[in-house]
Amino acid sequence: QQKVQQSPESLIVPEGGMASLNCTSSDRNVDYFWWYRQHSGKSPKMLMSIFSNGEKEEGRFTVHLNKASLHTSLHIRDSQPSDSALYLCAANYAQGLTFGLGTRVSVFP
Amino acid sequence: GGIITQTPKFLIGQEGQKLTLKCQQNFNHDTMYWYRQDSGKGLRLIYYSITENDLQKGDLSEGYDASREKKSSFSLTVTSAQKNEMAVFLCASSIEGDWGDEQYFGPGTRLTVL
Repeated sequence: QQKVQQSPESLIVPEGGMASLNCTSSDRNVDYFWWYRQHSGKSPKMLMSIFSNGEKEEGRFTVHLNKASLHTSLHIRDSQPSDSALYLCAANYAQGLTFGLGTRVSVFP
Repeated sequence: GGIITQTPKFLIGQEGQKLTLKCQQNFNHDTMYWYRQDSGKGLRLIYYSITENDLQKGDLSEGYDASREKKSSFSLTVTSAQKNEMAVFLCASSIEGDWGDEQYFGPGTRLTVL
């Protein structure tokens, strides 16, 4: 079973719309959650990280964390075509960082 | 700022061949990582190293060797390439070994085994 589970697998969003991505850890021994963005043919780049309960906002991107349910979500408002990418959630455990399989977001004009 | 360089960019090998991938970083980061990414999916950790000459196994270490020759470089060897194998190998580095540190990724080496 995948230790870090992301949903949905893919998402199609109209330009200007809201994209909502989910990520859950099946292992309670996690300290941080990370969100990385990977454009096609490029390497992943860190988008946001969160380690305490609540919400964190940076520009059009908002991350939520509920530590009790081991669930984090990423929300992209006013989505742009340049937001089309693979979004990877990662969680760190004692033995290292584990990535989910990703959510592929496509924003159409 | 800094940069991570991976060579080669593309690697084509034969079944059973031993193949070596190289990674260099000039961030002066202590920790370096090797990940494998299949078909645009998630990353799986192969090896990481928290300092020169240190090696730690990740979830996917079987079939691979690694070497941290100096602080700035980290090599990965595929000990016996598997037929029809296709994947991207990503090198990354972070300031220390604390998993709360951001990891910076290189551009990747794309492997194809014929």
